Amino acid sequence: SAVISQKPSRDICQRGTSLTIQCQVDSQVTMMFWYRQQPGQSLTLIATANQGSEATYESGFVIDKFPISRPNLTFSTLTVSNMSPEDSSIYLCSALEQGSSYEQYFGPGTRLTVT
Amino acid sequence: SQQGEEDPQALSIQEGENATMNCSYKTSINNLQWYRQNSGRGLVHLILIRSNEREKHSGRLRVTLDTSKKSSSLLITASRAADTASYFCATGLILTGGGNKLTFGTGTQLKVEL
Repeated sequence: SAVISQKPSRDICQRGTSLTIQCQVDSQVTMMFWYRQQPGQSLTLIATANQGSEATYESGFVIDKFPISRPNLTFSTLTVSNMSPEDSSIYLCSALEQGSSYEQYFGPGTRLTVT
Repeated sequence: SQQGEEDPQALSIQEGENATMNCSYKTSINNLQWYRQNSGRGLVHLILIRSNEREKHSGRLRVTLDTSKKSSSLLITASRAADTASYFCATGLILTGGGNKLTFGTGTQLKVEL
């Protein structure tokens, strides 16, 4: 199974600033995904990141707020822009391996607190 | 939305007992996956069951899927304190362009006491 790492693991940020989260996979993957998990809640898909194309955003999420890059088959970034306390969440990166049985693996998450 | 609803929301058992968690969903799926999350950390993939499968085993885990009732269950046998975690089901839809879109359930918090 793919091993996924994320940086930073946690951060405390001030309102109005931006944070970029990095996601690295140890093998080439077809699709990468970014999820948000608000405190005490389940996971919500933010967007799907495909290499070489624009990310596809879910309803309620927009590119200006959550710009995503996917420069190659093993790496992606998610930026949380112009942060407010409501953005305090765990952000998780996920990946689907090429030729997989659709098993999807997750990184350890980035715990973001906005003050 | 095809978000799964999990039942119970919280479950407390003694070590050695079995734990059963249920997941219901609303629309057709291609697969269903179960995950474990410890204390708000990353998700650990437990098992995937396809829509044409009815039951799957992995170690102490047993997963069933009933597509006619749109429900799945996760059974953990002979539970251990280390099984204490939140458990999530996620329904999967295979996308036209490839890939698999997951929609997560609400989760069950399991506590296994010594």
